[in-house]
Amino acid sequence: EVQVVESGGGLVQPGGSLRLSCAASGFTFSNFWMSWVRQAPGKGLEWVANIKQDGSEKYYVDSVKGRFTISRDNAKNSLYLQMNSLRVEDTAMYYCAKKGGAHGFDNWGQGTLVTVSS
Amino acid sequence: QSALTQPASVSGSPGQSITISCTGTRSDVGGYNYVSWYQQHPGKAPKLMIYDVTYRPSGVSNRFSGSKSGNTASLTISGLQAEDEADYYCASYTSSNTVIFGGGTKLTVL
Repeated sequence: EVQVVESGGGLVQPGGSLRLSCAASGFTFSNFWMSWVRQAPGKGLEWVANIKQDGSEKYYVDSVKGRFTISRDNAKNSLYLQMNSLRVEDTAMYYCAKKGGAHGFDNWGQGTLVTVSS
Repeated sequence: QSALTQPASVSGSPGQSITISCTGTRSDVGGYNYVSWYQQHPGKAPKLMIYDVTYRPSGVSNRFSGSKSGNTASLTISGLQAEDEADYYCASYTSSNTVIFGGGTKLTVL
């Protein structure tokens, strides 16, 4: 069974840092693009970043450029999101999502909640 | 990177058909056949319903269908059922290798 499981969320003060992890299983992780997608409380989905199979290409939404870094470790079947200089507006549920062979996110985790507050 | 435009809400009675629109630009929806649609029930993770404009993943009911004309994509749900009540989001890959979502549409089954 294909599964992705996020961890690492929590409460952090503005300006702080947090590292999210996503553990993948049930598929050949190194064959797929992976993404982070977030959802602020009561709001819609927002794509945050994606990373190519070998990590050679990474793309970000403008609002997190220079603050967030996406990475992966194919040997550990894991995806990461390093979040620095966190802002109140980064408060959201963060989902790890697998891009299928075509252009759609075909597997999602249950999310990990990040709360930025003083 | 403005969100794709979706109606905030749509509604229909059981058995009816509804259509949700998703409007973008030539740099996203209009430029590529890379539109996908997601269903999200309260407190749950999103679920892929349509990819590459018209294709349904295995296990998704054939009551769900997708189309596109110019810069606007559409999701049609036929034979509406109570379990279809949820939020629906469109998404598109862009010319910048990024992804953009729509603002979401709340579907109410009357």
